[in-house]
Amino acid sequence: DGGITQSPKYLFRKEGQNVTLSCEQNLNHDAMYWYRQDPGQGLRLIYYSQIVNDFQKGDIAEGYSVSREKKESFPLTVTSAQKNPTAFYLCASSRGTGPTGELFFGEGSRLTVL
Amino acid sequence: DAKTTQPNSMESNEEEPVHLPCNHSTISGTDYIHWYRQLPSQGPEYVIHGLTSNVNNRMASLAIAEDRKSSTLILHRATLRDAAVYYCILRDRESQMGKLIFGQGTELSVKP
Repeated sequence: DGGITQSPKYLFRKEGQNVTLSCEQNLNHDAMYWYRQDPGQGLRLIYYSQIVNDFQKGDIAEGYSVSREKKESFPLTVTSAQKNPTAFYLCASSRGTGPTGELFFGEGSRLTVL
Repeated sequence: DAKTTQPNSMESNEEEPVHLPCNHSTISGTDYIHWYRQLPSQGPEYVIHGLTSNVNNRMASLAIAEDRKSSTLILHRATLRDAAVYYCILRDRESQMGKLIFGQGTELSVKP
């Protein structure tokens, strides 16, 4: 079945360590996104990519990095520079970037910094 | 993107209709109205979207006020699986899809 796969589902990290969250899609979508969600809050955009080898910062990109070397993959690295990394991270994709398009989300990765 | 206002929470009984309101008084003529919902510990899923006319799909109906300053998501017969946070979002024709702005949404609880 087509969809978005995020891994790992749960991740624990010590302070000062970088961690990479995986996001893979087999929907043949051009656009991919990373959002962060804190308890009781809505989603905030970290990075998005409209095409391979190109990506743009969202509203809260500081302390994060991404790459888009393949259409299917958009990994997110949470660096030690991110001051408060404990959160629920959601990856999404869409066929295009028009205003009527639908975003498809993965099941999320929950990161806890100890 | 223009801002939306939704009640923090609502309750419904199973098998009864649910009307989830959304105010968007600063909506522009090119803004589409989107609804997503998020079940606990899952990613959001698309529900429905519209521009001016009312819309129906297998999941829900979207009723848009004539002046477009408000809209209502209608679940015709709530089930326990409809318990989720529902987000009302405005999407401008000119802005990037990635800049979808999710507010706090309405947490819907469904009682058996």
